[in-house]
Amino acid sequence: EVQLLESGGGLVQPGGSLRLSCAASGFTFSNYAVSWVRQAPGKGLEWVSLISGSTYYADSVKGRFTISRDTSKNTLYLQMNSLRVEDTASYYCAKHFCSSPICSIDYWGQGTLVTVSS
Amino acid sequence: TVVTQEPSFSVSPGGTVTLTCGLSSGSVSTSYYPSWYQQTPGQAPRTLIYSTNIRSSGVPDRFSGSILGNKAALTITGAQADDESDYYCVLYMGSGIWVFGAGTKLTVL
Repeated sequence: EVQLLESGGGLVQPGGSLRLSCAASGFTFSNYAVSWVRQAPGKGLEWVSLISGSTYYADSVKGRFTISRDTSKNTLYLQMNSLRVEDTASYYCAKHFCSSPICSIDYWGQGTLVTVSS
Repeated sequence: TVVTQEPSFSVSPGGTVTLTCGLSSGSVSTSYYPSWYQQTPGQAPRTLIYSTNIRSSGVPDRFSGSILGNKAALTITGAQADDESDYYCVLYMGSGIWVFGAGTKLTVL
């Protein structure tokens, strides 16, 4: 059974940093693309970043966020720097159905809430 | 480029509804690998359809995906009360970039 478990969310001040983690199990982590998708309170889904053989970012986070993964730990990360109030959201870890970035998301984690506020 | 969805839609129990996913400029084709997700309040999204018309594991065949004209479409037949949810489409824009639509709130009444 595929499982994705996010952690690391919390309250941070504007300009601060936070690192999210996503522990993956039930599949060969290194063989699949994985993404971070966020959802601001009461708003829609927003794709944030994807890692396959390369890394990709939405314009809204480019230069501030860094996606990475440790295949020995089956863990995905999102390092978030220079955080803004508008980064407040639940952040979901999501597995794609193949290794290529053209493959869609098939499994989702339960999300972790990031609140950026002074 | 903005991905467009109907803000809201209503369907009667047992009825059929088609939600669409378009582009502010241009037409959606299979090359955009359109996918559809269902989300109820407080829950994580659930994958319904990917790569235009492939049903995700465990999704009933009441849900189907297609290209209709210049848009991707999600059709729900025999609508049930628990289909009342938010539905999101996402399109692949190339260069590793995905863009979600703003979602459609479906009411079953």
